[in-house]
Amino acid sequence: DAGVIQSPRHEVTEMGQEVTLRCKLISGHNSLFWYRQTMMRGLELLIYFNNNVPIDDSGMPEDRFSAKMPNASFSTLKIQPSEPRDSAVYFCASSLDSHNEQFFGPGTRLTVL
Amino acid sequence: KQEVTQIPAALSVPEGENLVLNCSFTDSAIYNLQWFRQDPGKGLTSLLLIQSSQREQTSGRLNASLDKSSGRSTLYIAASQPGDSATYLCAVSPLYALNFGKGTSLLVTP
Repeated sequence: DAGVIQSPRHEVTEMGQEVTLRCKLISGHNSLFWYRQTMMRGLELLIYFNNNVPIDDSGMPEDRFSAKMPNASFSTLKIQPSEPRDSAVYFCASSLDSHNEQFFGPGTRLTVL
Repeated sequence: KQEVTQIPAALSVPEGENLVLNCSFTDSAIYNLQWFRQDPGKGLTSLLLIQSSQREQTSGRLNASLDKSSGRSTLYIAASQPGDSATYLCAVSPLYALNFGKGTSLLVTP
């Protein structure tokens, strides 16, 4: 298995633009997590899906952020409109179920100018 | 809210030394604890997972222990090598998501 796949690896955009980050889970995993990493706050959970259903989105900063899981293997995280303070590394992780080992993708480094 | 603290924040050792990285957490009600390695500009690589009912896990030169009642975990690295240089992150799972510490940045010098 190729592991968790994220795209793009790097994204540079201007303030106000829409950004879409993509994640492909490890086959057979039913839990999907989006995390954000910044120097100031470290790694924080944004949203958690189980069996394609959002279970906890309390970490999503505001309405500008939305996440979907249209099928069992794919998820998107969208920011519209983007702001400079959204600049961070966004990680997607998957696990066999909610209490198992989590495997992380390589991350998307987002820079909003 | 679960707080995870890692000490020291940075560590530099000569090659060959055995070393211990520390992690503490404030709420003992956890499902598991996971240690990760992160290389600069890269993603997180899972090193060891300890379930709440376990006391330790071993993988090669790595050994992680868990004392849930006191809210502590240690990661022991034997015979350190320059290739071990990275940031090591401890994370606990009180429900499903991981709560991360800020990490220990390790430098192993030849």
